[in-house]
Amino acid sequence: DIQMTQFPSSLSASVGDRVTISCRASQSISSYLNWYQEKPGKAPELLIFATSNLQGGVPLRFSGSGSGTDFTLTISSLQPEDFATYYCQQSYGIPRTFGQGTKVEVK
Amino acid sequence: EVQLVESGGGLVQPGGSLRLSCAASGFNFNDHYMDWVRQAPGKGLEWVGRVKNKVNNYTPEYAASVKGRFTISRDDSMHSLYLQMNSLESDDTAVYYCVRGAASRAFDIWGQGTMVTVSS
Repeated sequence: DIQMTQFPSSLSASVGDRVTISCRASQSISSYLNWYQEKPGKAPELLIFATSNLQGGVPLRFSGSGSGTDFTLTISSLQPEDFATYYCQQSYGIPRTFGQGTKVEVK
Repeated sequence: EVQLVESGGGLVQPGGSLRLSCAASGFNFNDHYMDWVRQAPGKGLEWVGRVKNKVNNYTPEYAASVKGRFTISRDDSMHSLYLQMNSLESDDTAVYYCVRGAASRAFDIWGQGTMVTVSS
């Protein structure tokens, strides 16, 4: 199985901050890396697919980059609605696997 | 509106069985692979398995943790996805999400989830 490791597991930030979340795969997954946002009591939502493609309706302050084994989710200017938990997920192989999540909290 | 609505969750004793359903609407269900993802209380997301579309012979695939106990099926005529869960264990306690596999291979549509609690 492909192991996905996210770091940090949590971070504290303020509105307006630039936030970066990292995700590392245990083997190369090409560009098959997706990012999801989860808010308490709600289903996760797709933010970015195939490393850097924004899902429809996702604000442009979100961006993704990387390839192979190392990937990054960046929020250029954190907004109040962005406080949430973020998961990376590989869609290169079966089983599909997720990172353990990064919780973005208010500083 | 593109929508997935799960049902069938509840409380079940260890060793028991439960069948979850997912009703799809607003898109061509037949074209898509469909997956189940679960989340134990306070934990992260875990892929349970998927069923491919008709073109790919409705082939199911499973996570090792559920293989042999869970069965994923679909009825394209009813736009429905199913998860038959047998020999349930306490570790199966989770919110179960029905999710749509997009052409990009990402999970682009999620249901609201249904809670399954395995406890005596």
